Amino acid sequence: DVKVTQSSRYLVKRTGEKVFLECVQDMDHENMFWYRQDPGLGLRLIYFSYDVKMKEKGDIPEGYSVSREKKERFSLILESASTNQTSMYLCASSLRRLAQFFGPGTRLTVL
Amino acid sequence: AQTVTQSQPEMSVQEAETVTLSCTYDTSESDYYLFWYKQPPSRQMILVIRQEAYKQQNATENRFSVNFQKAAKSFSLKISDSQLGDAAMYFCAYRSQASGGGADGLTFGKGTHLIIQP
Repeated sequence: DVKVTQSSRYLVKRTGEKVFLECVQDMDHENMFWYRQDPGLGLRLIYFSYDVKMKEKGDIPEGYSVSREKKERFSLILESASTNQTSMYLCASSLRRLAQFFGPGTRLTVL
Repeated sequence: AQTVTQSQPEMSVQEAETVTLSCTYDTSESDYYLFWYKQPPSRQMILVIRQEAYKQQNATENRFSVNFQKAAKSFSLKISDSQLGDAAMYFCAYRSQASGGGADGLTFGKGTHLIIQP
């Protein structure tokens, strides 16, 4: 089975802090994705990557950046966290254009 | 841009009964993929079923089946013999056949909360 893991289930940070969310997949998938999930809004794509060092903006990239130095790892970076970035963050990966597999999510609270 | 609409914020069904969750989408593309994902209270998103737009046959996975109406842009999920473990948020999702510019990402509906009554 595909396994997608995220570094933290819960995270509490202060406004202005730099925040790193890490995601690792163990199935050699080319594509990796970051979404945020908010009640009543569903999931929205922040960034995705289709290869090492490659990235593409999704629907809501403002305030975020990403890093993919190794194929199995995809990091989401909040350069200066703000309260409106309090959310559930979900990482996913896929092989070519097949279905995406999701990690357990990180619940981030920015105070 | 594509949009996905789930018009039922919440549905309730008796255990062992059948329930249908609705999903409509808007797109100008002819080739695309549709998915239903399940998110139980533990929060791990799980793929339930997938449909390729070029396939006329409706996808089926055990107790889960879809009714894909391409002309109507409708993609409903039917759950037969509902079980307590089916209780979850269900999300309908769309993915373009095109590539680049975020097209590889999924466009999600806002979800339907399914309650199973024992």
